[in-house]
Amino acid sequence: DMKVTQMPRYLIKRMGENVLLECGQDMSHETMYWYRQDPGLGLQLIYISYDVDSNSEGDIPKGYRVSRKKREHFSLILDSAKTNQTSVYFCASSPPDRGDERLFFGHGTKLSVL
Amino acid sequence: KTQVEQSPQSLVVRQGENCVLQCNYSVTPDNHLRWFKQDTGKGLVSLTVLVDQKDKTSNGRYSATLDKDAKHSTLHITATLLDDTATYICVVGDRGSALGRLHFGAGTQLIVIP
Repeated sequence: DMKVTQMPRYLIKRMGENVLLECGQDMSHETMYWYRQDPGLGLQLIYISYDVDSNSEGDIPKGYRVSRKKREHFSLILDSAKTNQTSVYFCASSPPDRGDERLFFGHGTKLSVL
Repeated sequence: KTQVEQSPQSLVVRQGENCVLQCNYSVTPDNHLRWFKQDTGKGLVSLTVLVDQKDKTSNGRYSATLDKDAKHSTLHITATLLDDTATYICVVGDRGSALGRLHFGAGTQLIVIP
């Protein structure tokens, strides 16, 4: 069963608290992504990981960091969360070849920073 | 600057009617274009991917076209069902590998009413 799983689904944090969003996939995909989705905007890439300990900044990395110690697991960390980081966060994974529909998204984590 | 523009922003149709969603983009290079369906509170599910200079795909009641010269794509939904209510997102990839970037539109919100 090909799946990307995100935990938790919903999270409420206070400004200044640390936040850990977790993502797992069961397809042995090398590449994984973290995006955020805000109303009226397209998904924005935060970080991309090409494999274990091979991570690159996306378009909006400021305020975020990531960890990939196992191929099937990719974490997004917010150190000292800010209110403007309230958003829906999506994790995705894909094999190296993008020429087909093998791009899978998780269900998202809705984060509210108060 | 938004590189992928979708129209209309929202659309209401009656069950059984057909509808057409538009996607215009300025991404260069434009290796491929995908259409995703996003149910409320859920992740993105790929509907189809278009690759050729002038491409057409069909997936059940969904059909799509791509004209890379015009940098324009359409998604046609035939005989809409209530379950088609969702946000449809156009995504342009600038490379055919994970090294490329995906450029997301903000989506068209489709509501199908009885």
